Amino acid sequence: AQKITQTQPGMFVQEKEAVTLDCTYDTSDQSYGLFWYKQPSSGEMIFLIYQGSYDEQNATEGRYSLNFQKARKSANLVISASQLGDSAMYFCAMREPAGGTSYGKLTFGQGTILTVHP
Amino acid sequence: DTEVTQTPKHLVMGMTNKKSLKCEQHMGHRAMYWYKQKAKKPPELMFVYSYEKLSINESVPSRFSPECPNSSLLNLHLHALQPEDSALYLCASSQDGRGPATNEKLFFGSGTQLSVL
Repeated sequence: AQKITQTQPGMFVQEKEAVTLDCTYDTSDQSYGLFWYKQPSSGEMIFLIYQGSYDEQNATEGRYSLNFQKARKSANLVISASQLGDSAMYFCAMREPAGGTSYGKLTFGQGTILTVHP
Repeated sequence: DTEVTQTPKHLVMGMTNKKSLKCEQHMGHRAMYWYKQKAKKPPELMFVYSYEKLSINESVPSRFSPECPNSSLLNLHLHALQPEDSALYLCASSQDGRGPATNEKLFFGSGTQLSVL
């Protein structure tokens, strides 16, 4: 069974600074996908960035980058130049390949609440 | 159009009521999901439909009854709920849901905040 761990319940950052949100995972699958989602107080889960287990380069999407260290099984999210609108809950998630009873399942970590101060 | 639309946004119901949550997407996705989320907790998967067939039921109590009338619509029928069922119910969709692909991202709606009195 796969497991996602986010060890930071809450993080604070000053506006315009960079922040790293930690995520570690555990899986016996060779093929898997790692995702980060943002959930503002409005409730919607917003997709931020994706990293495949076979991708050799770290994923980047605008101000978001994923620091993927496969040997350490970590997939940390880096947000550069933080903005007040970045204040939200952030979830790391992993998708395992279909097969057996794990068909199409996306499993989430416990989440990190990020607060951006002006 | 990359939206997943959920109605209603808020719902208050008594334990003897019957109500339904609705979800709609027009992205041509063939997999649709229901998640339950308690405050400050991660979403928990309830059901997965793929090509209008129920693929996953995560041992959800029978007082929750999903329905997928067509590839664009997903309903969650609620009956005789308990106060502990109060939560945010999120609907999501993805392109296919089948096969070995692990890069399918889920598109989520804004959720229905359910309160059971």
